[in-house]
Amino acid sequence: SQQGEEDPQALSIQEGENATMNCSYKTSINNLQWYRQNSGRGLVHLILIRSNEREKHSGRLRVTLDTSKKSSSLLITASRAADTASYFCATYNNNDMRFGAGTRLTVKP
Amino acid sequence: GAVVSQHPSRVICKSGTSVKIECRSLDFQATTMFWYRQFPKQSLMLMATSNEGSKATYEQGVEKDKFLINHASLTLSTLTVTSAHPEDSSFYICSASLAGSGELFFGEGSRLTVL
Repeated sequence: SQQGEEDPQALSIQEGENATMNCSYKTSINNLQWYRQNSGRGLVHLILIRSNEREKHSGRLRVTLDTSKKSSSLLITASRAADTASYFCATYNNNDMRFGAGTRLTVKP
Repeated sequence: GAVVSQHPSRVICKSGTSVKIECRSLDFQATTMFWYRQFPKQSLMLMATSNEGSKATYEQGVEKDKFLINHASLTLSTLTVTSAHPEDSSFYICSASLAGSGELFFGEGSRLTVL
C-alpha cells in the first residue's frame, strides 16, 4: 500500500519559475527520500532527509521535513525544461519503503 | 553509490507463459530486496519484501502463487510472473537495501507486456 499523498498531482510551470511539491505521510519514519522518474524509465534518487533534519539542499533542490505535521516539501528553483518528470516522495522506516502518489511536473520552455 | 542491475529491461510474452525477472546488487550484499509494480501514470506499489534464505513477505492483495520470489543469494533476487495475463503488464522495479545506510537502491525496471 502507499504511504501517503502528494500534491499537486500535476504542476505546469514556465522555465525559470520555481516548483513546489508537497508530500504527507501517515506513520513514523527513519527518513524521507525524493525521487524523479522520467516517463517509462527507472527512478533517480534526488535527496534523502533524515527524521532529525528539518531542511536539506542539493543544487537547485531544497527539501523540508516537518515530522510533527508528517509532511515534506520539495522545491526546485529556476526550473528547466529538463526537469519535466514525475516526482515521488518515499518514506523509509525499518527497512520498509513506501511511495507517495507522485507529482507530474511539466516545465514549458 | 551502490548499483542494482535488473534484467531484462523489456520483455514481451504470450498470455499463459511465465516470465522471470532478475535483480542483482552488483557491488554490495543485500540481505533484503524489494519488488515494486508500477502501472502507467501511477506510483510504485510494494509487492513483496524478499529476505535472503527465507520466504518473501507479500503485501495484501498480491498473489504469492502468481508472483514467485526467490532470494537465493545475497546478491540476487528473482521475480517470476507465472501464467502471465495481459493485466499483469506493468513496470516491475526491484530495490536492494544497503545495510545500515537507510537507503534503498533501485534497478532500472523491467517492462512486461503480455499479449
